[in-house]
Amino acid sequence: DQQVKQNSPSLSVQEGRISILNCDYTNSMFDYFLWYKKYPAEGPTFLISISSIKDKNEDGRFTVFLNKSAKHLSLHIVPSQPGDSAVYFCAASIKGGSTLGRLYFGRGTQLTVWP
Amino acid sequence: DTAVSQTPKYLVTQMGNDKSIKCEQNLGHDTMYWYKQDSKKFLKIMFSYNNKELIINETVPNRFSPKSPDKAHLNLHINSLELGDSAVYFCASSQGLPKQFFGPGTRLTVL
Repeated sequence: DQQVKQNSPSLSVQEGRISILNCDYTNSMFDYFLWYKKYPAEGPTFLISISSIKDKNEDGRFTVFLNKSAKHLSLHIVPSQPGDSAVYFCAASIKGGSTLGRLYFGRGTQLTVWP
Repeated sequence: DTAVSQTPKYLVTQMGNDKSIKCEQNLGHDTMYWYKQDSKKFLKIMFSYNNKELIINETVPNRFSPKSPDKAHLNLHINSLELGDSAVYFCASSQGLPKQFFGPGTRLTVL
């Protein structure tokens, strides 16, 4: 029962263009969302996050948009660079209670940025 | 300098053996986690410890036993290894916030 879904297993984008990675979730209790980036043979590294009280968060080339009514978030990378090629995981969490600290992950999207 | 470290990075073993994976964090975090990434690439939480106290215990076979000697260490011991235990295991830590810091992973292969 996947509560966080990344329906696109892969995305290929030309260098300099925008990359848009999508994520959907089913649990309306989620109130904090994160994106992680993972290179082969390494652990996931935190990229950017957004609280449910916001609809946008920006950090340099990376922007995350949250649409709570649609239970959808997206990560925009502008401009895309070859070093951005990695697997991107969307994750969600619920503050408090027995789920304290638990992150629910999507299965990831492989982004390839070609020159 | 490594914030969250795991040993070993690769582990190849026979079915039925017992093995341990060690995790250490030098971030001063109170909470540590174990995740399993299976062949379908899903990252699923297994355990979480806060200040050496178990707070999350997913539906994991009791052959898996976490041990936290202090808040900087969370080790994972696996008894009677099975083929289905082959996966990449990630340790992570956090301090108060949902943001977690992950180790490099341990690829376990059970033959």
